[in-house]
Amino acid sequence: TQLLEQSPQFLSIQEGENLTVYCNSSSVFSSLQWYRQEPGEGPVLLVTVVTGGEVKKLKRLTFQFGDARKDSSLHITAAQPGDTGLYLCAGDWAGKSTFGDGTTLTVKP
Amino acid sequence: GAVVSQHPSWVICKSGTSVKIECRSLDFQATTMFWYRQFPKQSLMLMATSNEGSKATYEQGVEKDKFLINHASLTLSTLTVTSAHPEDSSFYICSARDYGGSGYGYTFGSGTRLTVV
Repeated sequence: TQLLEQSPQFLSIQEGENLTVYCNSSSVFSSLQWYRQEPGEGPVLLVTVVTGGEVKKLKRLTFQFGDARKDSSLHITAAQPGDTGLYLCAGDWAGKSTFGDGTTLTVKP
Repeated sequence: GAVVSQHPSWVICKSGTSVKIECRSLDFQATTMFWYRQFPKQSLMLMATSNEGSKATYEQGVEKDKFLINHASLTLSTLTVTSAHPEDSSFYICSARDYGGSGYGYTFGSGTRLTVV
């Protein structure tokens, strides 16, 4: 059973469109992280959310942590081709980082 | 920020040979490091937790004798794929957490692409 479920798994959109990626769990996490990974590279940390209800913004990216700390979302405004990549959510579970299945985003020019 | 260096970035080896992958924390000490395996367009699958000065903890289904982990110092963990076979071909990534840093996230190496022919 996957502890963290991400949706959608694949997303292909045109440049300028908005999108939201979801990360859901039945478990409570003390924190959740979002990473972006490009082909052939390791994941790079985008943000960590810690407080229930927290909203963090990173330029065109907005991250939310659910009030119950069981889910999170990533919203990208006016997507650009440079946003293309694999987006992963992760949370600490039993002292190690557990990852969602990932969302492969393709932004077409 | 915290930096994790992984080497080599890619390796091709013959079936039956062993390959060693190194993971170094460059500017912080890591008592614990993690090794992941990733298939194309899939997420990271945790293989094992590497503990400095003690035995690694392997996830269910991961062969201990196949994937040897050594964490001999606070800045270096190695993963050796023994008697490699084509099905071991994959992208291997290590990570560590800098507890002295301001964030909660893990820092990842750049990965090693292993191809067994």
